[in-house]
Amino acid sequence: DQQVKQNSPSLSVQEGRISILNCDYTNSMFDYFLWYKKYPAEGPTFLISISSIKDKNEDGRFTVFLNKSAKHLSLHIVPSQPGDSAVYFCAASVANYGQNFVFGPGTRLSVLP
Amino acid sequence: DVKVTQSSRYLVKRTGEKVFLECVQDMDHENMFWYRQDPGLGLRLIYFSYDVKMKEKGDIPEGYSVSREKKERFSLILESASTNQTSMYLCASSQPGPMSDYEQYFGPGTRLTVT
Repeated sequence: DQQVKQNSPSLSVQEGRISILNCDYTNSMFDYFLWYKKYPAEGPTFLISISSIKDKNEDGRFTVFLNKSAKHLSLHIVPSQPGDSAVYFCAASVANYGQNFVFGPGTRLSVLP
Repeated sequence: DVKVTQSSRYLVKRTGEKVFLECVQDMDHENMFWYRQDPGLGLRLIYFSYDVKMKEKGDIPEGYSVSREKKERFSLILESASTNQTSMYLCASSQPGPMSDYEQYFGPGTRLTVT
């Protein structure tokens, strides 16, 4: 059973609008979360992270929200740009120096011009 | 600029062959990881290593082994390749530290096809 779920395999958004990518997790021990972006034929690249002591983290156009009670996090991209079209992976970990992350299956975002 | 390289982008092997996938990082990272990526399943951890000559099983180690003789190099070995090991293989590295340093740096991936 997947511990990290991304229930939308794909999402299409118009350029300039908001993209919201969702992620749910089942393990209440998870306390550190990352989002990665992956373009075709490239490895994933780190986008943004959040620890469980926060409920929001912003970096430019990207904001991650964490709702611990619902075991849910979301990535907001505002405004969306065509270059944001990629697969987005949510990953979760129990904070330690081991850095073993559990990845979700990914959501393919298409930003339409 | 951080760099993780993988020896091959594409590889085609026959069932039963021994397959070596090589990964090299130039960031002096202590941690290295091997994942496989399959549609609908995301990235699944095969093996990881926290130090030279050290290895730990991930979530799906069956059919795989690893070798880490030098800090910068982490090899994934398929002792006898099978068709269900056809996948995209991704190597990553990271440096242990406080939570803010948890980022893993990924290589471009090796797409392995076993026929």
